[in-house]
Amino acid sequence: AQSVTQLDSQVPVFEEAPVELRCNYSSSVSVYLFWYVQYPNQGLQLLLKYLSGSTLVESINGFEAEFNKSQTSFHLRKPSVHISDTAEYFCAVSDWIQGAQKLVFGQGTRLTINP
Amino acid sequence: DGGITQSPKYLFRKEGQNVTLSCEQNLNHDAMYWYRQDPGQGLRLIYYSQIVNDFQKGDIAEGYSVSREKKESFPLTVTSAQKNPTAFYLCASAHGTSGANVLTFGAGSRLTVL
Repeated sequence: AQSVTQLDSQVPVFEEAPVELRCNYSSSVSVYLFWYVQYPNQGLQLLLKYLSGSTLVESINGFEAEFNKSQTSFHLRKPSVHISDTAEYFCAVSDWIQGAQKLVFGQGTRLTINP
Repeated sequence: DGGITQSPKYLFRKEGQNVTLSCEQNLNHDAMYWYRQDPGQGLRLIYYSQIVNDFQKGDIAEGYSVSREKKESFPLTVTSAQKNPTAFYLCASAHGTSGANVLTFGAGSRLTVL
């Protein structure tokens, strides 16, 4: 069975500091990995995804994540955060099982940016 | 613009009442999903549907029911059998037949039981 563990429920950082949000997964089949972001009282939006190929994937707003198969991790990083990055971030693992896509989410990490 | 519309945004219900949450999409997506979000627990899958007139239970289907009579619509009914219905409910849709599909989410409906 698939599962996702986000190791930190809350991460406070200062503006312009670097940040890493940690995600570990378990999956017995092929792996598709996602990071979604949720701003207050909104739905989730895709931040980035790993499907195959290069293990380093990037988003348009400066986030990046690296797929590490040996450590079963997909940590999210940004070298310099902004106030606008304040949100909750969800890591997810996906697969096609019995004729349907099954997406399993982690518990979420709340990123708070302090000025 | 294409997207997913959930209504109502906020809903209050007395104990013992059924309530239906609406989810409509104009993305021409085949698959639709309902998730429940509680603080510190991430998102948990309630029901999903890959095609019209067919749907499957997710991980926490007890106390909920759905229908999929049209491709565009996937309403969720929270019944009185759901022991703890206060939560944020998210509807999503996806196109394709692969585990690599990206889900598009609605803005959510917040249900509070008084």
